[in-house]
Amino acid sequence: DAKTTQPPSMDCAEGRAANLPCNHSTISGNEYVYWYRQIHSQGPQYIIHGLKNNETNEMASLIITEDRKSSTLILPHATLRDTAVYYCIVRVPFYLKLSFGAGTTVTVRA
Amino acid sequence: GAVVSQHPSRVICKSGTSVKIECRSLDFQATTMFWYRQFPKQSLMLMATSNEGSKATYEQGVEKDKFLINHASLTLSTLTVTSAHPEDSSFYICSARSWGTRGADTQYFGPGTRLTVL
Repeated sequence: DAKTTQPPSMDCAEGRAANLPCNHSTISGNEYVYWYRQIHSQGPQYIIHGLKNNETNEMASLIITEDRKSSTLILPHATLRDTAVYYCIVRVPFYLKLSFGAGTTVTVRA
Repeated sequence: GAVVSQHPSRVICKSGTSVKIECRSLDFQATTMFWYRQFPKQSLMLMATSNEGSKATYEQGVEKDKFLINHASLTLSTLTVTSAHPEDSSFYICSARSWGTRGADTQYFGPGTRLTVL
């Protein structure tokens, strides 16, 4: 699986959009980008995934650059409940392992 | 999204006893489930992959005789920590694979089980 690089931490203001970057410059053509988050003392929560098109669901938007070497997860209106560790993972679908790195610790401040 | 439950959420046991943790996919069938372990301030580490009706596949360094996994149905996998010791104290999390959307599968995670061995 391709390695991802994320900033270790970031702060954002409640009510504002939170833009979480992820670099995956060695991504291969059949690897998808997945985002999960883990709120303290809970299991990870699936957020969104995509291959090359931008994707949006009720939780977030995923913007993937045209060369697919980086992506951005956007939380449109951050709330205090969005404080969590966010993981960007790239993997080939149905390849069994989901490898978690260190992620980005996002702190939403009132 | 799909829901995965775990039971118990928290367990405290004495050293030398065995503990069973259940993982259930509540609204979908899961041919494949996974077990992870997470120590404080660390990321999740995959322990084993569980396939319904067959033997689990363990990651390197995980003792299969100590961490017994059974996946007897499409909605239930169990992890039994045998002869638990204090160093087995950790946060155990399961996940279940769903076929997902747009050509990709998705793993949904349970809420985790906090095991403390005294």
